[in-house]
Amino acid sequence: DQQVKQNSPSLSVQEGRISILNCDYTNSMFDYFLWYKKYPAEGPTFLISISSIKDKNEDGRFTVFLNKSAKHLSLHIVPSQPGDSAVYFCAASRSYNTDKLIFGTGTRLQVFP
Amino acid sequence: GAVVSQHPSWVICKSGTSVKIECRSLDFQATTMFWYRQFPKQSLMLMATSNEGSKATYEQGVEKDKFLINHASLTLSTLTVTSAHPEDSSFYICSASQPAQYFGPGTRLTVT
Repeated sequence: DQQVKQNSPSLSVQEGRISILNCDYTNSMFDYFLWYKKYPAEGPTFLISISSIKDKNEDGRFTVFLNKSAKHLSLHIVPSQPGDSAVYFCAASRSYNTDKLIFGTGTRLQVFP
Repeated sequence: GAVVSQHPSWVICKSGTSVKIECRSLDFQATTMFWYRQFPKQSLMLMATSNEGSKATYEQGVEKDKFLINHASLTLSTLTVTSAHPEDSSFYICSASQPAQYFGPGTRLTVT
């Protein structure tokens, strides 16, 4: 039972344009969501998070949107850069502190010049 | 801030031997650390939650006698893969909460 899903395994975007990565979840108990960037053979790097009391959180080029009624979140990267090319995982937990994370299946983003 | 290290970064061992992987939070204290494994082209799967000073909580399907976890201090958790077999070959990653989870660089285990 995949509680967190990323239905697009890959995404290709031109440099300078917007990258939109999507994530859906099924468990209504989740109230904290995170996005991670990962390169092969490395640990995930934390990018941005959002709690369920918000619908938007922005940090530089990264913005996360949360639609609780649809159980959907998205990560926007503007403008996209070639260095953004990596696998992006969304993750969810029931609390923002010590609860375990449930990861999505990942989306491979490729930003081309 | 929020740096997590792992040692070793990669290890090759023979079938039947045991391997210990260390996870350290370098600039913060973590009462809770997590251990994940990732198979090629798959997502990260939580193996266990490591709590300082108490027993680890294992996810369903993870053998606690095979994957021994010790969280002896607020900055160190260890995962020991006992009697390793080739099917244990994987990428093992730890994380610590601050409060978002920050991950170590991972350990590639290959069992021959």
